[in-house]
Amino acid sequence: DGGITQSPKYLFRKEGQNVTLSCEQNLNHDAMYWYRQDPGQGLRLIYYSQIVNDFQKGDIAEGYSVSREKKESFPLTVTSAQKNPTAFYLCASSIGTVSNQPQHFGDGTRLSIL
Amino acid sequence: GENVEQHPSTLSVQEGDSAVIKCTYSDSASNYFPWYKQELGKRPQLIIDIRSNVGEKKDQRIAVTLNKTAKHFSLHITETQPEDSAVYFCAPRGNTGGFKTIFGAGTRLFVKA
Repeated sequence: DGGITQSPKYLFRKEGQNVTLSCEQNLNHDAMYWYRQDPGQGLRLIYYSQIVNDFQKGDIAEGYSVSREKKESFPLTVTSAQKNPTAFYLCASSIGTVSNQPQHFGDGTRLSIL
Repeated sequence: GENVEQHPSTLSVQEGDSAVIKCTYSDSASNYFPWYKQELGKRPQLIIDIRSNVGEKKDQRIAVTLNKTAKHFSLHITETQPEDSAVYFCAPRGNTGGFKTIFGAGTRLFVKA
């Protein structure tokens, strides 16, 4: 969707380095999400946030951190504690008032290890 | 927690045939049932969804049917075309999990010309 921008498109991480993936949306959505997708696999939830200054762990939060200081922004940091970070990372957002609304995805960031 | 299963994992059909993908879920409080399509290297996009007060919804060649009693919903694609080749994901949600979303593992559909 044109309303969700992820950057960069490709990212390389060195050993022991933290890297931050950007996700910005102008859809005025309250809820935002981060997913990890490995080759040929489904989407696994890392973190989600229903409202500013609040976020919850998903199924695979270890080695990742997030912040939600602004409604339109939900950056994801891949820390050095994440030993296998190579994957396709997708950010999404949805209307936050109820859970029965679709998610809109960004174009993703491909993270690789140098 | 919520368990979501999709079947089949791979589906190959001849152009013009129909395709059906089934999603089974465990959370009886689920009330929103979407299907997303992901083309190779692209973002997932919603193609059709249904809410728990409706049993069936159709949009041109695509339809979704819901069986809340049996806790499954299905994606139906008729008159398949090569551009329907993609991976399809279900992602049921409901009040129990709130905004936490569990995606099915995906079904890779191949449409042979």
